[in-house]
Amino acid sequence: KQEVTQIPAALSVPEGENLVLNCSFTDSAIYNLQWFRQDPGKGLTSLLLIQSSQREQTSGRLNASLDKSSGRSTLYIAASQPGDSATYLCAVNNYGQNFVFGPGTRLSVLP
Amino acid sequence: EAGVAQSPRYKIIEKRQSVAFWCNPISGHATLYWYQQILGQGPKLLIQFQNNGVVDDSQLPKDRFSAERLKGVDSTLKIQPAKLEDSAVYLCASSLAPPGQLAKNIQYFGAGTRLSVL
Repeated sequence: KQEVTQIPAALSVPEGENLVLNCSFTDSAIYNLQWFRQDPGKGLTSLLLIQSSQREQTSGRLNASLDKSSGRSTLYIAASQPGDSATYLCAVNNYGQNFVFGPGTRLSVLP
Repeated sequence: EAGVAQSPRYKIIEKRQSVAFWCNPISGHATLYWYQQILGQGPKLLIQFQNNGVVDDSQLPKDRFSAERLKGVDSTLKIQPAKLEDSAVYLCASSLAPPGQLAKNIQYFGAGTRLSVL
């Protein structure tokens, strides 16, 4: 059974810092992995999707990497801004199975 | 393009009462999901529909939860009777195809319904 964990549970940084969020999964036979953002009282917004054959994906100031063999993915946020404050979740999709979500990392970027 | 619509946004009920949630997915999306998100946790899949058929309901508490997707478009999720532990946000999501069928199969989420059971 796939299990997904995220470290840290919460993170507070000053504006302008670069930061890394971590996602770990127990079953490396994944099809793809998605990073989502969730703002308070709102649904999830997909940020990046990495297919199992890829090592990384980039979108603007965001870069997500995937290391299947070690069961890890990282989300790198460059030059953080107060508007980046939200909860970031990763979700893993194994072949023939549905997405399993991690508990999320709550990020606060202080002005 | 219109997103996933959910209603109501909030619902407060007493335990043992019934409640229903509604979801309208993105037009053309064959796959629809209902998730339960308890405070501080990631979403947990309750049920997945492919068109109007159920693909995965292994984590749906069938003694009190039911869901349907008539005509393969809109969907309703019902809880009867509700328990205190059902307090959560219920999220609906849709995608073009089931997981594993498309390499770039992004799930799009609605804003959710926040349920409080007193």
